[in-house]
Formats: sequence, C-alpha cells, structure tokens
Amino acid sequence: GNSVTQMEGPVTLSEEAFLTINCTYTATGYPSLFWYVQYPGEGLQLLLKATKADDKGSNKGFEATYRKETTSFHLEKGSVQVSDSAVYFCALSGLTGGGNKLTFGTGTQLKVEL
Amino acid sequence: EADIYQTPRYLVIGTGKKITLECSQTMGHDKMYWYQQDPGMELHLIHYSYGVNSTEKGDLSSESTVSRIRTEHFPLTLESARPSHTSQYLCASSEYRLAGGEEQFFGPGTRLTVL
Repeated sequence: GNSVTQMEGPVTLSEEAFLTINCTYTATGYPSLFWYVQYPGEGLQLLLKATKADDKGSNKGFEATYRKETTSFHLEKGSVQVSDSAVYFCALSGLTGGGNKLTFGTGTQLKVEL
Repeated sequence: EADIYQTPRYLVIGTGKKITLECSQTMGHDKMYWYQQDPGMELHLIHYSYGVNSTEKGDLSSESTVSRIRTEHFPLTLESARPSHTSQYLCASSEYRLAGGEEQFFGPGTRLTVL
C-alpha cells in the first residue's frame, strides 16, 4: 500500500536558518505529492504540491521537488521566520483500493526561535 | 467566500452522552472526510464520502457514524461518548479530479474531551 515517511521532530532552528524536512514515499503508479502546514489550534492548510516527476512546488518561500528516482519530496526554505513555527505534514494522493485518498506522514513540528 | 466550517470548536462532555460534530462546506465538493488527530499529531482517516448517500469507513476503526444527506453537510455522531474518544477531529473536503492531485481543504477542527 501507499506510505509516507518523514523525519521526526521537533526541529528547532534559529531565525534565518536554512530548513530541510525530509519526506520519502512508497506508492504504486504516479502519485501526487503535497506538503500541508498546521498552525497551533487550526486545521491543515495546503502549503505546496507537485503532480508529476521533476515538478517543483513552491509557496511562501518554501520549495519541494518531486524526485521519482529517490521517491522523495523534501521541504526546504532558505531563511525561516518565527511565524513558520508549525507542524508540517507530507502527504501523497494516489489510487488505493478505496479510491483516490490522501496518505499522510506523521508530521514534523518546527520551532523557530529568535 | 468558499470555506469549510466545523462546530463546536471545543467540547467537554461526560461519559455516555450522545454528541454530533458538525461539518459544512460551501465549495460544492463531492468528497468529504473525517480525520482523528491524536496528541502525537498523526492523522487517521475514520470516515469518508464521495457524494450524497455515500459513506465509507476509513483506515482507523471508529465507533462514530456519519451521514451525507446533503452535499454540503457531513456530520459525525458518537452515540455514547467515552474517554477514549478524546481527540481532535478534523473535517475536510475535495473536488474530484480524474487525473489526481486532489487538494483537500480542512476545517479548523473540533477538540473533544470526554470526562
């Protein structure tokens, strides 16, 4: 079946540091890949997505590239801010026995300090 | 403005009570979902629906039930709440896309505490 593995947190960084959150996946066929973000006390919001190999999703300074050869979709940001503190979820959307559903990773908490 | 709403945002209730968590969306999406999010943050799909009068159980077994009588409304009911039901419940919706890449839109969640 489909699965997503992402690095465990919490990840603690100083403001303006470089961020990488690793995400790898297992899936049959050609899944779409997503990063969602959850701020404290809120639901999830789509941060970025990529629907085919070598696509790069980007938003708010975050980027991730769909790498089929390494089955990865790592999230990066060049300079994090305190306001980026949140939980980040990697997810894939692909056909399963129950139809086209999202499979989430376990989430990575990011804490950015001044 | 198109959106997805959940009420209540917070609920504290005693064991044995019947509760209904409300979820509504104004985007006309056919697909709707309920997730349970544990304190470790992991999300578990407990119910989904691909349209009116369609409901399916998700990956995680749940004692809750759902109904989908109207496209925009997808309530979740617990007939007899127990402390083990204490969790965050997230509702989501998406538009069907044959080619995949469906983005799910999430509500703000209901934090349920059963005493």
